[in-house]
Amino acid sequence: DTGVSQNPRHKITKRGQNVTFRCDPISEHNRLYWYRQTLGQGPEFLTYFQNEAQLEKSRLLSDRFSAERPKGSFSTLEIQRTEQGDSAMYLCASSPRGGSPYEQYFGPGTRLTVT
Amino acid sequence: QQQVKQSPQSLIVQKGGISIINCAYENTAFDYFPWYQQFPGKGPALLIAIRPDVSEKKEGRFTISFNKSAKQFSLHIMDSQPGDSATYFCAASRASGTYKYIFGTGTRLKVLA
Repeated sequence: DTGVSQNPRHKITKRGQNVTFRCDPISEHNRLYWYRQTLGQGPEFLTYFQNEAQLEKSRLLSDRFSAERPKGSFSTLEIQRTEQGDSAMYLCASSPRGGSPYEQYFGPGTRLTVT
Repeated sequence: QQQVKQSPQSLIVQKGGISIINCAYENTAFDYFPWYQQFPGKGPALLIAIRPDVSEKKEGRFTISFNKSAKQFSLHIMDSQPGDSATYFCAASRASGTYKYIFGTGTRLKVLA
């Protein structure tokens, strides 16, 4: 399967710990997005990369959050000093170079539970 | 102005019936309106999308109706099947450079066998 992959699928951590999630976009997709989805809500935009450049960050992305996309391939999202309010599904999406820039393909998400 | 309002929150339809989900937006700069389907524990999957230059788009049993003047769009699922039971999200995007999505709050559809 050549879809967007995310690891881990589930993460349980204690408040105050740091966590890191990984997203592998579809090959040759140069646009990459992170969204956060809480229970019963639609996904909310967190940040956007075009190739390796992080071009937009939402105000939802506090300074405890950092995202990288070295070499324009996979991306990581790190949350430092996790809080219970960080519990959510973290979704990654990618969009193709040369195709419609509007179409986004989502991965299965990483479900984070902060206890 | 960035919100996309979606209704109803939940919907129960008999097998073979028509499911209708509605969305409304305020920002007239939006120029792409996709619908996503999400099953429990999975990521959203693109179903169908429309641009404002057309009033309707049909793909199989799924149709988007778009009313530019009312700033509303809707998803119609014809001949609804139990396998269509999922949560549906509308979204909006604009050619701002990032093309990020603003999602609605979702509609949980249950199709009874």
